[in-house]
Amino acid sequence: EVQLVESGGGLVQPGGSLRLSCAASGFTFSSYSMNWVRQAPGKGLEWVSYISSSSSTIYYADSVKGRFTISRDNAKNSLYLQMNSLRAEDTAVYYCARTDSILFDYWGQGTLVTVSS
Amino acid sequence: QSVLTQPPSASGTPGQRVTISCSGSSSNIGSNYVYWYQQLPGTAPKLLIYRNNQRPSGVPDRFSGSKSGTSASLAISGLRSEDEADYYCAAWDDSLSGQVVFGGGTKLTVL
Repeated sequence: EVQLVESGGGLVQPGGSLRLSCAASGFTFSSYSMNWVRQAPGKGLEWVSYISSSSSTIYYADSVKGRFTISRDNAKNSLYLQMNSLRAEDTAVYYCARTDSILFDYWGQGTLVTVSS
Repeated sequence: QSVLTQPPSASGTPGQRVTISCSGSSSNIGSNYVYWYQQLPGTAPKLLIYRNNQRPSGVPDRFSGSKSGTSASLAISGLRSEDEADYYCAAWDDSLSGQVVFGGGTKLTVL
């Protein structure tokens, strides 16, 4: 059974940093691309970032480019999102989602990031 | 404002057929597959339709997808109370350096 479990969310002050993790199991993690998708409270879904299976290709949404860094450790079956210079508008539930030939075929349960003073 | 345009709400009575539209452009829906996701209250999104009209195993055949030009639609027939959820369309966008774009979401109410 495919499982994606996010962690690392919490309350952080504006301008601060946070690192999210996503632990994958139930599939060959190193064979799949991965994404982060977020959802602000009461709002719709927003794609944040993509990383290919070998980390050779990385994309970011314009809203986070230069502030967020996606990475992965295939030996640890883990995906990461380093978030710096956080703003109030980054407050959201952050989901990791698997992608291969099918976009976002499995999602984690999400982790809440709150940026507030 | 979302790149893909969906109606904010839709409704129907049990047993009815409802459709949800998703409008885009030549750089997203017009040249890439469309995907649909269902988000039940308080839960993570779930893949509902992939590659325009394919259903993952376990998704009832009451759900169907279609695409024409730069628009797509999700149809739900035999509406049931458990279908009350938010529905999102998504597609890759060739004009945005590998970015994925979502619709704003449609809240479906079963009356």
